[in-house]
Amino acid sequence: AQSVTQLDSQVPVFEEAPVELRCNYSSSVSVYLFWYVQYPNQGLQLLLKYLSGSTLVKGINGFEAEFNKSQTSFHLRKPSVHISDTAEYFCALIEQGGSEKLVFGKGTKLTVNP
Amino acid sequence: DVKVTQSSRYLVKRTGEKVFLECVQDMDHENMFWYRQDPGLGLRLIYFSYDVKMKEKGDIPEGYSVSREKKERFSLILESASTNQTSMYLCASRVRTNTEAFFGQGTRLTVV
Repeated sequence: AQSVTQLDSQVPVFEEAPVELRCNYSSSVSVYLFWYVQYPNQGLQLLLKYLSGSTLVKGINGFEAEFNKSQTSFHLRKPSVHISDTAEYFCALIEQGGSEKLVFGKGTKLTVNP
Repeated sequence: DVKVTQSSRYLVKRTGEKVFLECVQDMDHENMFWYRQDPGLGLRLIYFSYDVKMKEKGDIPEGYSVSREKKERFSLILESASTNQTSMYLCASRVRTNTEAFFGQGTRLTVV
């Protein structure tokens, strides 16, 4: 069965520092990959997605992610974070030609300190 | 503008009650989902519907059922609410497999 592992449950960083949130996945077939963000007391909002093509994907709010098929990873990066980036981030996948279920990791709580 | 609306933001119910959580989307999406979100466990899929009257169990369907009689509405039913079903419930919809899923604001359910 497919699965998503987010390697860090919490990531504290200082404002204007770079950040990387790690995501690894497991699947026997090709996948579509997504990163979502959840601000406090809100639903989830799409940051970016990888469907095919270029392995470097750019999203909203200055975030980007790189798909690495050999490493089965899809890490999220931002070169300089702001206080407003404090939120919980979720990596998710769908198996191509599979059950169509959208499967999530357990989330990474990013806290940006002044 | 895309919209997924969950009927309540906060709900308090008693143990043993039958509880209905409603979700409506206005985008003519085929697929709809119900997840529950608990601290440290992320989002776990309860049920998924890929079309009207079609449903598929997710990872944690026990104690829940769903109904999708119309394309725009997907209801989650707790047949007999228990305290371990106290959680945040999130509804989502999407047009097809490789597209973005849109989420509602969530319903925080407390069972006492």
